[in-house]
Amino acid sequence: EAGVTQFPSHSVIEKGQTVTLRCDPISGHDNLYWYRRVMGKEIKFLLHFVKESKQDESGMPNNRFLAERTGGTYSTLKVQPAELEDSGVYFCASSRRLAGEAGTGELFFGEGSRLTVL
Amino acid sequence: GENVEQHPSTLSVQEGDSAVIKCTYSDSASNYFPWYKQELGKRPQLIIDIRSNVGEKKDQRIAVTLNKTAKHFSLHITETQPEDSAVYFCAAVRGGSSYKLIFGSGTRLLVRP
Repeated sequence: EAGVTQFPSHSVIEKGQTVTLRCDPISGHDNLYWYRRVMGKEIKFLLHFVKESKQDESGMPNNRFLAERTGGTYSTLKVQPAELEDSGVYFCASSRRLAGEAGTGELFFGEGSRLTVL
Repeated sequence: GENVEQHPSTLSVQEGDSAVIKCTYSDSASNYFPWYKQELGKRPQLIIDIRSNVGEKKDQRIAVTLNKTAKHFSLHITETQPEDSAVYFCAAVRGGSSYKLIFGSGTRLLVRP
């Protein structure tokens, strides 16, 4: 079974440019999450999809961030225009069940997309 | 909202010694506490978890304890090995309808051979 895959692994852009990150979850996982880790800090929740619907986007920093999951399969996270403080590692994770539910609500993470904004 | 504090930020131990990482949480409704391990350049992976109806859980050299009254939980690694070197993240979540894992800031563990 393929794991969660993310692309690109590293992106270097200049302030003001646009970047789109992609996540392919594990097949059959309805729940897809985006998280971000800024250097040395916690892994912070951004948003949660159930299939193609945004269940919770309370962690999205501002309207420069747009996440989509058309068709309920892969997801994209676009940052436009990028700012210096957007630098960090963006993790995508998927799960079959909700985190904490009976049974395994384990999140399966991708390897992350490192974003560097110059 | 939930806040998770994790200590220490770095921990260096001699191979064979034990390592303890501690976390505290603020939301008394949190009932699920997973621990993730991230090796250098790799993805975070779940290593152990505990639910609020249990005080302790063990899996070989790894154990997690939970004190609901004090709202803290700890990861214990015994007989550490160099391959235990990684960043460890604790997390807390209200299970069921709530699904956001709130992570601690991570502990970088170095096991010296």
